[in-house]
Amino acid sequence: GENVEQHPSTLSVQEGDSAVIKCTYSDSASNYFPWYKQELGKRPQLIIDIRSNVGEKKDQRIAVTLNKTAKHFSLHITETQPEDSAVYFCAAPEGGGKLIFGQGTELSVKP
Amino acid sequence: DTGVSQNPRHKITKRGQNVTFRCDPISEHNRLYWYRQTLGQGPEFLTYFQNEAQLEKSRLLSDRFSAERPKGSFSTLEIQRTEQGDSAMYLCASSLAPGIEKLFFGSGTQLSVL
Repeated sequence: GENVEQHPSTLSVQEGDSAVIKCTYSDSASNYFPWYKQELGKRPQLIIDIRSNVGEKKDQRIAVTLNKTAKHFSLHITETQPEDSAVYFCAAPEGGGKLIFGQGTELSVKP
Repeated sequence: DTGVSQNPRHKITKRGQNVTFRCDPISEHNRLYWYRQTLGQGPEFLTYFQNEAQLEKSRLLSDRFSAERPKGSFSTLEIQRTEQGDSAMYLCASSLAPGIEKLFFGSGTQLSVL
């Protein structure tokens, strides 16, 4: 089955700096890679996703890159703001029916 | 509110008791998922339905856990003879098949087993 590894587990940056979170996956057939943001006490919410037919996708300050050969994908947040502080999860599909999530990265943006 | 709704938000129970949680997905979504999340971890897959059919159940899931989606709309997750290790946030999510698409999560049910 699919195995998703996420690093780092915690990340602290100064407001305005960039943050990068990396994930690796094991199933070369995987073709959909979402990122979720979970604020304390709230539900996970999809912030960006990418399919395997593209290498990069951007949405304002957030971007995701995908390297299918190396089986890894990354979340990039530029010009970080305190409201970006949250736990971020990557995920990859398994068996065509469900998502397997990484362990999460707790991002702290210090003003 | 047209999002995924879960009830109750919190449940405290004594070890050995049975508990049942309910999930109402987004109305047009035909896939419904149950995940479990403990502090500091990512959501762990439990089971999922397409319409009323339960298509997959995690091999790690104890037979004390059972889920239903009788009319292809809302779903219930029951845990029998609860144990302290069952304490977790139980998250429901829904999506529009076919294939893997965006999952929309509910706010979860926080279970505490004393």
